[in-house]
Amino acid sequence: DAGVTQSPTHLIKTRGQQVTLRCSPKSGHDTVSWYQQALGQGPQFIFQYYEEEERQRGNFPDRFSGHQFPNYSSELNVNALLLGDSALYLCASSFPEYYQETQYFGPGTRLLVL
Amino acid sequence: AQSVTQLGSHVSVSEGALVLLRCNYSSSVPPYLFWYVQYPNQGLQLLLKYTTGATLVKGINGFEAEFKKSETSFHLTKPSAHMSDAAEYFCAVSDRGSTLGRLYFGRGTQLTVWP
Repeated sequence: DAGVTQSPTHLIKTRGQQVTLRCSPKSGHDTVSWYQQALGQGPQFIFQYYEEEERQRGNFPDRFSGHQFPNYSSELNVNALLLGDSALYLCASSFPEYYQETQYFGPGTRLLVL
Repeated sequence: AQSVTQLGSHVSVSEGALVLLRCNYSSSVPPYLFWYVQYPNQGLQLLLKYTTGATLVKGINGFEAEFKKSETSFHLTKPSAHMSDAAEYFCAVSDRGSTLGRLYFGRGTQLTVWP
């Protein structure tokens, strides 16, 4: 059983560009959350998707947007990239009945903005 | 919003020594509590969690943590450190009673194990 997968693993962009990161949840999971982990920090919650809708959002600007597809996979889009967007972006998925208990994380996408 | 404090951004121990990583949370209502480990250039792996029941929780790789409501703490311990335990450890909480499952993380503790 494949765990949570993310693509690409690494990405380099320049300021002002746009980026799309992708996540496939663990089999049977329908809830996907995205986190940003800046260097030397703990992960910060960006938003969560359930049934193709954004269910909750953290303290991130509208430049950060997402989407969930009918197969539960998800995308994170960041527009007008800033140097401060350089970070490891983590995707996590969870069981519908146990969303309160365990989130499984993918390996992350490391984004560098120059 | 929840707040998680991990005391000590860096902890160093000798191989075979006791590991103690500290975590305190701010909520007046005890949340769900988690410890995750992150190895270099990897994602987060769940070590253990507390949701209800016994306050001493055993996890993978010989780690355990004890929930102490009176101290709003959830410290992580391992009796005997191994070189392979060297990694970054994150304490996290989520709101009990919330349907959203959002995790709030501490800033992490980097564990170094000396031979």
